Amino acid sequence: EAGVTQFPSHSVIEKGQTVTLRCDPISGHDNLYWYRRVMGKEIKFLLHFVKESKQDESGMPNNRFLAERTGGTYSTLKVQPAELEDSGVYFCASSLGPLAVYFGPGTRLTVT
Amino acid sequence: AQSVTQLDSHVSVSEGTPVLLRCNYSSSYSPSLFWYVQHPNKGLQLLLKYTSAATLVKGINGFEAEFKKSETSFHLTKPSAHMSDAAEYFCVVETSYDKVIFGPGTSLSVIP
Repeated sequence: EAGVTQFPSHSVIEKGQTVTLRCDPISGHDNLYWYRRVMGKEIKFLLHFVKESKQDESGMPNNRFLAERTGGTYSTLKVQPAELEDSGVYFCASSLGPLAVYFGPGTRLTVT
Repeated sequence: AQSVTQLDSHVSVSEGTPVLLRCNYSSSYSPSLFWYVQHPNKGLQLLLKYTSAATLVKGINGFEAEFKKSETSFHLTKPSAHMSDAAEYFCVVETSYDKVIFGPGTSLSVIP
């Protein structure tokens, strides 16, 4: 069974540019989560999808971040425009329920 | 509200000696608890999880953790450290809203 996959593994962009991160959850997992770890800080929850609906987006830092999950399969997280403080690792996770959450390898975002 | 504290930001042990990584949690109910590990440039990997069954939980790679409700602790141990155990370890608590909260992480160094 394939795990959670994320693309790209690493992205380097300039301040003000746009970046889109993609997450493919494990097939059949209705729950999809985004987390991020900015430099030197803790891993923080961003948002939670149940199928295509946003169950909880309380962790989204500001309106420069837009997450979508059209069709309830893969998800994208767009940062527009990117700022320096957005640099960090963005993790995606999926689950059938809260007790078996599987994380992807993460996308390392560097904003210069 | 749930929270997680990892008492040591960095732990250093000699190869072959025991490992103890400390975790305390705060929760209004008996939560599910997890330990994840992240090796350099790798994704998050689940080591073990506690879900209100046996209080002593065995995980992968010889790690285990004991849930102590009276102490609100979930410390991670391993009898004998291996060089490949050098990584960052995260204690994680499930919240009541289908998401998890990460502790700040403990970086484990293993000295040959």
